[in-house]
Amino acid sequence: TQLLEQSPQFLSIQEGENLTVYCNSSSVFSSLQWYRQEPGEGPVLLVTVVTGGEVKKLKRLTFQFGDARKDSSLHITAAQPGDTGLYLCAGYSTGNQFYFGTGTSLTVIP
Amino acid sequence: GAGVSQSPSNKVTEKGKDVELRCDPISGHTALYWYRQSLGQGLEFLIYFQGNSAPDKSGLPSDRFSAERTGGSVSTLTIQRTQQEDSAVYLCASSLGLVVGYTFGSGTRLTVV
Repeated sequence: TQLLEQSPQFLSIQEGENLTVYCNSSSVFSSLQWYRQEPGEGPVLLVTVVTGGEVKKLKRLTFQFGDARKDSSLHITAAQPGDTGLYLCAGYSTGNQFYFGTGTSLTVIP
Repeated sequence: GAGVSQSPSNKVTEKGKDVELRCDPISGHTALYWYRQSLGQGLEFLIYFQGNSAPDKSGLPSDRFSAERTGGSVSTLTIQRTQQEDSAVYLCASSLGLVVGYTFGSGTRLTVV
């Protein structure tokens, strides 16, 4: 089992603030994905990164894959209440499935 | 269908009873996964089906858990003699391939009382 640790576990911020969520592991991953999950729903894929050092932008969200492919970050600029949810990272190295982190619960207060 | 459909959405059962959870994946998706999500925990892999290959059952926590996938489509996860520690949200996902990512259903919230 590859352990993925996410930090912080909980985050509550005001609308308009910036934030960064981290996903760290001692394992090397060939690809890493970020999902967002809203209450009562399944996780929804946001992005997949596969190259060390890769940066992907999705509107106000910026995703970075570490150079060594052991860690990743998600940065949200000017957070909005619609960004509220559980953010999960998931890494793949070998086998048949991705290993998921424990998640960061984000609340954006209007 | 347009998305992954799971039923029931909620299930309350008495300790010791058997339960069946159903997953209807996206048409054409050959890969199907079951995960379990407990409060404060990440997603725990349970089982993986790919086409007609033998399933990867390495994540099943005990022999009380089993799953099947009929005709390469619908899957059923069965938990026998349920225990309170089985209480969790059971998520099903289907995929065209790992790089593409999973499409999850909304899950079945199982409560064992």
